[in-house]
Amino acid sequence: AQTVTQSQPEMSVQEAETVTLSCTYDTSESDYYLFWYKQPPSRQMILVIRQEAYKQQNATENRFSVNFQKAAKSFSLKISDSQLGDAAMYFCAYAYSGTASKLTFGTGTRLQVTL
Amino acid sequence: EADIYQTPRYLVIGTGKKITLECSQTMGHDKMYWYQQDPGMELHLIHYSYGVNSTEKGDLSSESTVSRIRTEHFPLTLESARPSHTSQYLCASSAAGGTGNTIYFGEGSWLTVV
Repeated sequence: AQTVTQSQPEMSVQEAETVTLSCTYDTSESDYYLFWYKQPPSRQMILVIRQEAYKQQNATENRFSVNFQKAAKSFSLKISDSQLGDAAMYFCAYAYSGTASKLTFGTGTRLQVTL
Repeated sequence: EADIYQTPRYLVIGTGKKITLECSQTMGHDKMYWYQQDPGMELHLIHYSYGVNSTEKGDLSSESTVSRIRTEHFPLTLESARPSHTSQYLCASSAAGGTGNTIYFGEGSWLTVV
């Protein structure tokens, strides 16, 4: 069974600084997707960034980028120029290509952004 | 924001009551999902659907049931609620096709069974 591990229950970053959230996963599959989702308090969970396992190039979306290390099964999220609106729970998730988008989530990292 | 809606947002009910959590999406998505999330914990898939008249159980066993009679509607029902069902229930949807399609989530329904 696939597992996703987020070892940092909470992280804190100052506004305008950079923070990296860690995620590791375990799978025997070679074709899969990895995602980072953001869940603000009492608001909808939204997709931040996705990575296709067969692509070696790390995905980037504006201030958000990932460091995908397939051999190490590591998928970290870097947030640059942190903003107050970045404060939220961040979930790392995995989906095997053959499972109709069924996501396996990690336990989440709560990110605080301070002035 | 995504066009996927859940009602009620918050519900407190007594043990033994029957409840239905509603979920509707206006994006024409074929795939829909129900996830269960305890406070501060990860999400677990409890039901999913590939399309009308298609429903499957997810990775986490649940006493709830679902139906998919219309593309846009995916309600979840608990016939007899128990305190162990207290949790947040998140509905989601995605377009047909590849696994990489974005999954859109509703705002969630917080259920408390007393």
